[in-house]
Amino acid sequence: SQTIHQWPATLVQPVGSPLSLECTVEGTSNPNLYWYRQAAGRGLQLLFYSVGIGQISSEVPQNLSASRPQDRQFILSSKKLLLSDSGFYLCAWHEGAGGYTFGSGTRLTVV
Amino acid sequence: AQSVTQLGSHVSVSEGALVLLRCNYSSSVPPYLFWYVQYPNQGLQLLLKYTTGATLVKGINGFEAEFKKSETSFHLTKPSAHMSDAAEYFCAVSDLGSSASKIIFGSGTRLSIRP
Repeated sequence: SQTIHQWPATLVQPVGSPLSLECTVEGTSNPNLYWYRQAAGRGLQLLFYSVGIGQISSEVPQNLSASRPQDRQFILSSKKLLLSDSGFYLCAWHEGAGGYTFGSGTRLTVV
Repeated sequence: AQSVTQLGSHVSVSEGALVLLRCNYSSSVPPYLFWYVQYPNQGLQLLLKYTTGATLVKGINGFEAEFKKSETSFHLTKPSAHMSDAAEYFCAVSDLGSSASKIIFGSGTRLSIRP
């Protein structure tokens, strides 16, 4: 069966520090992968999506970047975190008409 | 472009009462519609989805939703609320027919259940 792993679950980072969040998918090949952010009291904002290795589309200009070094690996990064980067980050993959499956999320607090 | 509007950021009902969470969408192509539930500090869990066919869709935990094209709506209902239904609910729309499909979420509705 297909599963999605996302880590770490929680992260506290100082302003100006780098960030790397990882998401991996098992049980499928060539999935569409997505990064969403959920700020406190707000809905989900699509940040990046990828339809294949090395293919990244950015939805919102910001302090973050994404990479897909392997078919089932999707990484969200930042060189220097801002306070406004705090939020709940969710990775998801697309499974056709069945919809999207989400990881358990990473709670990032920038202090 | 697609968009979703959820009416009411917070809905409170009594235990045993009807739950109605409203969702309207905008889409230039036949939409695929979803309802997700999120419990605190967790990811999103799919409640139900509409792709094609029957417009009344039944999901998990006793929830159902009806796709009404004429009203561009996909409201979520449950006949009798339970305390465990307290959570955040998100309506979403997608163009899954596209090779690079994206799912667009509404802003969410927080459901509270009164004893």
